[in-house]
This record gives sequence, structure tokens and C-alpha cells, in this order.
Amino acid sequence: RKEVEQDPGPFNVPEGATVAFNCTYSNSASQSFFWYRQDCRKEPKLLMSVYSSGNEDGRFTAQLNRASQYISLLIRDSKLSDSATYLCVVEPRGAGSYQLTFGKGTKLSVIP
Amino acid sequence: GAVVSQHPSWVICKSGTSVKIECRSLDFQATTMFWYRQFPKQSLMLMATSNEGSKATYEQGVEKDKFLINHASLTLSTLTVTSAHPEDSSFYICSARTSGSDSYNEQFFGPGTRLTVL
Repeated sequence: RKEVEQDPGPFNVPEGATVAFNCTYSNSASQSFFWYRQDCRKEPKLLMSVYSSGNEDGRFTAQLNRASQYISLLIRDSKLSDSATYLCVVEPRGAGSYQLTFGKGTKLSVIP
Repeated sequence: GAVVSQHPSWVICKSGTSVKIECRSLDFQATTMFWYRQFPKQSLMLMATSNEGSKATYEQGVEKDKFLINHASLTLSTLTVTSAHPEDSSFYICSARTSGSDSYNEQFFGPGTRLTVL
């Protein structure tokens, strides 16, 4: 089983739509969770951290279910500028190494 | 946020040559830097973890003699791809983690270096 698995995508949605991405992770020792976005041929950029209580940042809502080892990202009112690949990332803090494990990413295309 | 630069941003070389990629943290000290590689439509894969003043820790399957890492200062780490071959063609990205408390510190990524080996 892959360490971090994501919806294969791609997701093609119209502007204004709500879209949800899912992610599962295999290492139960993982302590920190993140969503990054990566534009084509660019470096990944942190979108938001994911907390057990769930957290929201504007149109973006992230949730974590430790029991199911499941992470989600919800984007409301999609904008054209949201088009990117969204990477689910976990950090097995218990190892003390602060190394990030990336999912393969889910590509989102927001269509006018 | 903190800025990490990489140089060069892209490089094309002949098979058998060596290529050095620099990663610099511009406005902060990075006790730890990470080197990743990303093939087309694949996830970023961690190659090695580099701590200032000590030997890098390589991930399983990454040849340390082929991918030489030097982290000589708190703001500079270099990755040298020795005797590059076409299969080494990839997008190489570094990240730097700020030093400080044990609480989580964000990793800041460089813009990446696209290597093409002919």
C-alpha cells in the first residue's frame, strides 16, 4: 500500500462549483498533515495545514480523521486560479526527521 | 514567507557529465535541507536529508555516490549528479526547514531545477 494515496483525478469543474479531494495515509504514526498546491512545472506551495478539529481558510476547508487515516480538502466557489495539482502531504513526526511524504496529487481544472 | 532559491533553474547536459545544483535559503538559516526528485506525473520523492555540517541521510534506493550532497553552511546545500544519464532527467527540488523550537516549522521549497540529460 502506498504511503499516501489520493483520488486519481483529474477533476474538471465549472467556476463556482464545490469540489472535494480525499486522501488516505498508511503510517498511523504520522503527526502532521498538509495540503500543498503545485502549479505546472513549479515547486509545491503550502496551502494549509490540517488539524484534527478541522480548519477553514476562506473557501478552503480541510479535515482529518485519524481513526480512518483520512484527510480531505473542500474548495467552495471554485475560481479559475484554483486550477492546479493538489498534493496531500503527511509528516511522520514521530521519526523526528521532519521529512514530508507526498501523494501523487490530484489535478484540478476549473473551467469558465 | 521565507525564500529558497535554486540554481540553475534548468540545465541540459551530455550523458556522463556531472551537474551541480545549488539550494540557498536567502533570509533564514536552515539547519536541515531536503532534496526531492519528481518525474513527470509522479509525486515528489525524497532523495536525502541534509543537515549542516554532517553527512546527508539518503533514502533507500538513492545512490549516495551518484548524488553527492554537501551542506557546508546554514544557507547552502548542493546536490551533484555525477556521471549523469538520461534516466536522471527529472525535476529536482530542494526545501529548507527553519531552525528553532521543536514545534513544527514549515518547509520552504525552492523553485526547482529541471535537468535534461541527452
